[in-house]
Amino acid sequence: QKEVEQNSGPLSVPEGAIASLNCTYSDRVSQSFFWYRQYSGKSPELIMSIYSNGDKEDGRFTAQLNKASQYVSLLIRDSQPSDSATYLCAVNSGAGGFKTIFGAGTRLFVKA
Amino acid sequence: GAGVSQSPSNKVTEKGKDVELRCDPISGHTALYWYRQRLGQGLEFLIYFQGNSAPDKSGLPSDRFSAERTGESVSTLTIQRTQQEDSAVYLCASSLNLASEQFFGPGTRLTVL
Repeated sequence: QKEVEQNSGPLSVPEGAIASLNCTYSDRVSQSFFWYRQYSGKSPELIMSIYSNGDKEDGRFTAQLNKASQYVSLLIRDSQPSDSATYLCAVNSGAGGFKTIFGAGTRLFVKA
Repeated sequence: GAGVSQSPSNKVTEKGKDVELRCDPISGHTALYWYRQRLGQGLEFLIYFQGNSAPDKSGLPSDRFSAERTGESVSTLTIQRTQQEDSAVYLCASSLNLASEQFFGPGTRLTVL
């Protein structure tokens, strides 16, 4: 089992819809969780960090964390074609001295 | 403030040559990371530095790869006797500490002919 798992996609949603991206992780003692967006040919950029159970909202983005179920998700409301990118989930694992593990990413396409 | 910078942005080399890639982290960030990303693939962890602690080299793919960091500043990633399979984008990131979010540089695209 991979330490951080994401559906590779592609996930295709129409413009204006809600895109839901999911991520599961294996290390129960993980403390920090991050979502990054990576456009084709560019480096990853941080979208959100979340540390506590529940929802965290920032503009059109909402991160959701459920430590009991070991999953973290990212919702993108009112999706725009400019949101088309690969979304990387990253989990900071306490095992082995705090190392951030990245998932392989989910490709999102928002159709105009 | 300034973000993470990397140089060169592109490097084309011949098989068997050595290359050196440079990373300037965000000022004050104690942790620095190197990743490799092949075309269409995910991030592959190579190495990280945290303060004065011994670096975690667990991701380096072979002894042709090495990295150094001077204190909490510049880092260089060296690839000796480059092979065609080394062709990739090499990304550097830095963070305040190992538990906090990482900020990425623009990457160096390495092409080995």
